[in-house]
Amino acid sequence: ETGVTQTPRHLVMGMTNKKSLKCEQHLGHNAMYWYKQSAKKPLELMFVYNFKEQTENNSVPSRFSPECPNSSHLFLHLHTLQPEDSALYLCASSQDPRGAGVADTQYFGPGTRLTVL
Amino acid sequence: GEDVEQSLFLSVREGDSSVINCTYTDSSSTYLYWYKQEPGAGLQLLTYIFSNMDMKQDQRLTVLLNKKDKHLSLRIADTQTGDSAIYFCAESTQIGGKLIFGQGTTLQVKP
Repeated sequence: ETGVTQTPRHLVMGMTNKKSLKCEQHLGHNAMYWYKQSAKKPLELMFVYNFKEQTENNSVPSRFSPECPNSSHLFLHLHTLQPEDSALYLCASSQDPRGAGVADTQYFGPGTRLTVL
Repeated sequence: GEDVEQSLFLSVREGDSSVINCTYTDSSSTYLYWYKQEPGAGLQLLTYIFSNMDMKQDQRLTVLLNKKDKHLSLRIADTQTGDSAIYFCAESTQIGGKLIFGQGTTLQVKP
């Protein structure tokens, strides 16, 4: 247990569905992240939130919509996805990435395995 | 641009030492990390090293950093079957919050 939980663990959805992924961290951290892990590709950073403010959007298509209502919760809203969006979506959190020169270690949740039919 | 490279696969026998290698391109990297991912799980932080260090040891794990060659390695002593997993190298820079990951090295430990 890393202190970062994700639900659901598995999700199958059609291309016309709307679904949401949830992440919750119990570590008192101030930054949260969404990553996409596809087969045979490096982890791709999607979004970064610091103190509830989005600080990075790594050219992610608009069919992925993040929401960070507070420092402990992060959502990824999904709509009209494509089969190539099937992947493991990982959430992570860290204390505060603004602290230059200090290791801002990221702690990961177990991921949501998403399959788009 | 930033890039992190790892070999994709390593096979060792139980009890042997494993050495997983990583190269990176960003000379401004401040911290370098090793994460482990077991099947069906997220990434588990194993260890990290600050860029002004050459070596860090933590029980069976030894991290070596050659900053001149931008080369990082993770040595696992007395490798066990439970060490079978994918190992990711990652770097971070002064740009807060951004980790650049390698593709991961699959470690297979044979009994």
